[in-house]
Amino acid sequence: EAGVAQSPRYKIIEKRQSVAFWCNPISGHATLYWYQQILGQGPKLLIQFQNNGVVDDSQLPKDRFSAERLKGVDSTLKIQPAKLEDSAVYLCASSRQEAIYFGEGSWLTVV
Amino acid sequence: GNSVTQMEGPVTLSEEAFLTINCTYTATGYPSLFWYVQYPGEGLQLLLKATKADDKGSNKGFEATYRKETTSFHLEKGSVQVSDSAVYFCALSKLTDKLIFGTGTRLQVFP
Repeated sequence: EAGVAQSPRYKIIEKRQSVAFWCNPISGHATLYWYQQILGQGPKLLIQFQNNGVVDDSQLPKDRFSAERLKGVDSTLKIQPAKLEDSAVYLCASSRQEAIYFGEGSWLTVV
Repeated sequence: GNSVTQMEGPVTLSEEAFLTINCTYTATGYPSLFWYVQYPGEGLQLLLKATKADDKGSNKGFEATYRKETTSFHLEKGSVQVSDSAVYFCALSKLTDKLIFGTGTRLQVFP
């Protein structure tokens, strides 16, 4: 079974630029998550989708972050404009029946 | 609210030593409990889980027991290897809800 796929793996941008991350969950997994992991901290949930609907986006900075999951499969997370404090690993995960599986993450550095 | 507290690292051990990483939680109801591991440069991998009180999760020589009376889920391994060096995250979730992570504990094992 293929795992959660993410791209790009690494991205370096200047502050105020924009960036987009893509995620393809495990086939058949209805729930998809985006987490932000800042160096030295535990992952923090940004947004949770159930199929193509948003379940929880309470910690998503909506003035600069947006996410969508068209057709209930792939998802895109966008940051515009980026700030220095957005430097982190962006982890996508998908789940079915309580088991949550993570991708390898997209490492963002904002300079 | 729900939260997870882990012991601070780094935990430094010699190969074949006994490992304990403490984890306690605060939650309403009966959450599921997890340990995730993150190797350098990689995403999070599920190590083990327990879904109800007194359950023992185990994998790759690691064990953790869900103790409701002490609200704990301590991770143990009888004999660590250099290859176990990683960051370990304790987490909880309710049904298929989001994961709430601790801050992580770095384990360094030396030959």
